[in-house]
Amino acid sequence: GNSVTQMEGPVTLSEEAFLTINCTYTATGYPSLFWYVQYPGEGLQLLLKATKADDKGSNKGFEATYRKETTSFHLEKGSVQVSDSAVYFCALTSNSGYSTLTFGKGTMLLVSP
Amino acid sequence: EAGVTQFPSHSVIEKGQTVTLRCDPISGHDNLYWYRRVMGKEIKFLLHFVKESKQDESGMPNNRFLAERTGGTYSTLKVQPAELEDSGVYFCASSPSVETQYFGPGTRLLVL
Repeated sequence: GNSVTQMEGPVTLSEEAFLTINCTYTATGYPSLFWYVQYPGEGLQLLLKATKADDKGSNKGFEATYRKETTSFHLEKGSVQVSDSAVYFCALTSNSGYSTLTFGKGTMLLVSP
Repeated sequence: EAGVTQFPSHSVIEKGQTVTLRCDPISGHDNLYWYRRVMGKEIKFLLHFVKESKQDESGMPNNRFLAERTGGTYSTLKVQPAELEDSGVYFCASSPSVETQYFGPGTRLLVL
């Protein structure tokens, strides 16, 4: 079946540092890939997505590239801010039928001033 | 446009009691999903409605869980009787098609 593996957290960074959160997946066919973010006290928000190999999703300075050869969708940001502190979830949907999401365990990011 | 809303935001109940969670999707979204995150684990799919019909309920853990979607609008998820392992955060999401799902803030359930 489908599965998503994310790096363990928390990830602790200083403001303006470079961020990478690793995500790899196992899926049949050609899944769509997503990063969701949960800020403290809020629900899940879609951060970015990519629907086919070599696509790059980007939003709010975050980027992730769909790498089929390495089955990866790593999240990156060049310069993090304190306001980026949140839990980040990597997820996928299969390309067959309706789009049930399969999530990773989530990675907490803590950014200090 | 109002987002997905969930009620209550928190619920603390004793083992053996009944709890009903409610989700109001974004207006016009035919697809409604329930997910659950048990502490320290992944967010797991529970079930999927298309309008008032259950499209996929393969993630429902057992028959203590009952989901309904009245008239294809809001949905309820009832847990009866609640067990300790039911504690977690229950998320609802809606979407107009098979594209992006929009999530609510979640209901935090604690069973003592």
